[in-house]
Amino acid sequence: AQKVTQAQTEISVVEKEDVTLDCVYETRDTTYYLFWYKQPPSGELVFLIRRNSFDEQNEISGRYSWNFQKSTSSFNFTITASQVVDSAVYFCALSSHPRQGAQKLVFGQGTRLTINP
Amino acid sequence: GAGVSQSPSNKVTEKGKDVELRCDPISGHTALYWYRQSLGQGLEFLIYFQGNSAPDKSGLPSDRFSAERTGGSVSTLTIQRTQQEDSAVYLCASSLMVGGTEAFFGQGTRLTVV
Repeated sequence: AQKVTQAQTEISVVEKEDVTLDCVYETRDTTYYLFWYKQPPSGELVFLIRRNSFDEQNEISGRYSWNFQKSTSSFNFTITASQVVDSAVYFCALSSHPRQGAQKLVFGQGTRLTINP
Repeated sequence: GAGVSQSPSNKVTEKGKDVELRCDPISGHTALYWYRQSLGQGLEFLIYFQGNSAPDKSGLPSDRFSAERTGGSVSTLTIQRTQQEDSAVYLCASSLMVGGTEAFFGQGTRLTVV
């Protein structure tokens, strides 16, 4: 069975601080995909990143960076110099490779991030 | 439209009534997904459609739930004889193909069963 754990239910920091959101996953698949989505107060899930299991390179996009480590089954997300607009609920998700069945996202419980001015 | 459109945005219904939730995916997207977001269960997969293939219904919580996708585009999620535990936000998503490509989500339908 697949499982995604986001142990941090809520995080609150002051603007300009760096913050890391943790994500740990479980899967028996050798090929899989990992995602991060942002859910602002409007409710729509906004795609942030997709990473496949063969690509362990870390990625940086502006103030966002992701650290994928297969050895620890983690896919952590860091926001550098946080801003109030980063306040949202962030979800980590996992899906299996097409050959191994239905493509459905398994989500973590989400981390509510609040950036205070 | 440019994004995934869901209607209605809010629905309040009485226990025991049937409801229909609609999803218009992004044009050209062959895969369509329904998820449910509730306080107790988080985000749960319900069903997905891929082209003309039989849908994967493995996430539907009971036989009161059904969904169809007409003409490979618009989808309707139907809940019969609604119960209070059906209260949740129902999210629809679409993607270009099944697989690792990202899914684009609508803003959801908030269903309240009273």
